[in-house]
Amino acid sequence: KNEVEQSPQNLTAQEGEFITINCSYSVGISALHWLQQHPGGGIVSLFMLSSGKKKHGRLIATINIQEKHSSLHITASHPRDSAVYICAVLSYQLTFGKGTKLSVIP
Amino acid sequence: NAGVMQNPRHLVRRRGQEARLRCSPMKGHSHVYWYRQLPEEGLKFMVYLQKENIIDESGMPKERFSAEFPKEGPSILRIQQVVRGDSAAYFCASSPARTGDTGELFFGEGSRLTVL
Repeated sequence: KNEVEQSPQNLTAQEGEFITINCSYSVGISALHWLQQHPGGGIVSLFMLSSGKKKHGRLIATINIQEKHSSLHITASHPRDSAVYICAVLSYQLTFGKGTKLSVIP
Repeated sequence: NAGVMQNPRHLVRRRGQEARLRCSPMKGHSHVYWYRQLPEEGLKFMVYLQKENIIDESGMPKERFSAEFPKEGPSILRIQQVVRGDSAAYFCASSPARTGDTGELFFGEGSRLTVL
């Protein structure tokens, strides 16, 4: 069974700050997803990674397969980035972390 | 190209009633996944279906819960004799192939079930 740990659980940042959210997992995977969930809203897939690094706008995701660790970075954070960010790892099926609640204050 | 459509978005049921949640996958997607998100908990896998087949239901409670994905029409998650503990957000996701093959996964907006 894969255990997925995210840190921090909660994060408050000032607008413009650089943000990092971490995800660690316990067993080998074929891919890792970063998801975004707004309060009361649906889930949006931000990235799917199996190695290296991906960038989309102000979002950057990295993964280190050997260390079983991934990070999601947000540059120049904005209040509209406020959401819950969820790491999910794929082995046989998706296993989700509990999420990191991000609040960006103007 | 519409995304994954779930309805109803909100559903209120009294204990003992039945809840039916529907999911229409993205056009061209034949793989559907249901996940449950309990209050203050992470998402948990429930069931994986392809057209007319249940591939993996290891995450679904053995009693009262069932799922189907018929040849025509949406996938349906059915909860019989609901209890308060069934109150949760139920998310559906679809993919063009098994997620292990492509990694692509698209989520719906979720259906929020409240059991009174």
